[in-house]
Amino acid sequence: AQKVTQAQTEISVVEKEDVTLDCVYETRDTTYYLFWYKQPPSGELVFLIRRNSFDEQNEISGRYSWNFQKSTSSFNFTITASQVVDSAVYFCALSESFNNNDMRFGAGTRLTVKP
Amino acid sequence: DVKVTQSSRYLVKRTGEKVFLECVQDMDHENMFWYRQDPGLGLRLIYFSYDVKMKEKGDIPEGYSVSREKKERFSLILESASTNQTSMYLCASISGQGTYEQYFGPGTRLTVT
Repeated sequence: AQKVTQAQTEISVVEKEDVTLDCVYETRDTTYYLFWYKQPPSGELVFLIRRNSFDEQNEISGRYSWNFQKSTSSFNFTITASQVVDSAVYFCALSESFNNNDMRFGAGTRLTVKP
Repeated sequence: DVKVTQSSRYLVKRTGEKVFLECVQDMDHENMFWYRQDPGLGLRLIYFSYDVKMKEKGDIPEGYSVSREKKERFSLILESASTNQTSMYLCASISGQGTYEQYFGPGTRLTVT
């Protein structure tokens, strides 16, 4: 079965610093999908990105960027010029099915951005 | 906007009680999910449903059952609540097109005493 590891339990940075959240995954399938979700203090998970295994291009969305490297089975998430509003728990997840019925989540990384 | 709502944000129940957690989505999604979230363990899938009256076990179904009588509603049932079921419970539904992202409800924090 697939597995997702987020080794960083908690990270604390000062506003405007860049921060990278690590995600390492395990799967035997050649087709799979990787996700990042943000869980702010309000509790509701917010979808950030879905990436399929055939698309290794890095993605940038504003201050957010994602680095997908199949060779190291990693899908890392970088926040540039962090802000206090970025404080949240971030989850990486993996699905082996197209309709995501089998998503497995990592343990999450709690990011605190201090002013 | 897709909306997934859960019947309660906070719930306190006694050991042995039967507990119902309700989830409703308003986007006509086929697939719905129940997870529990515990510190250090992330989200773990309890059950999911891909259609009315259909259900599949997730990774930790023991002690739980589910009901899906209508497409928009997915209920999680704790037949006899125990203290180790104290947790945050998250419901989600999935879009069948586009990004296939899961939409999550706000969660129910259940405490069993």
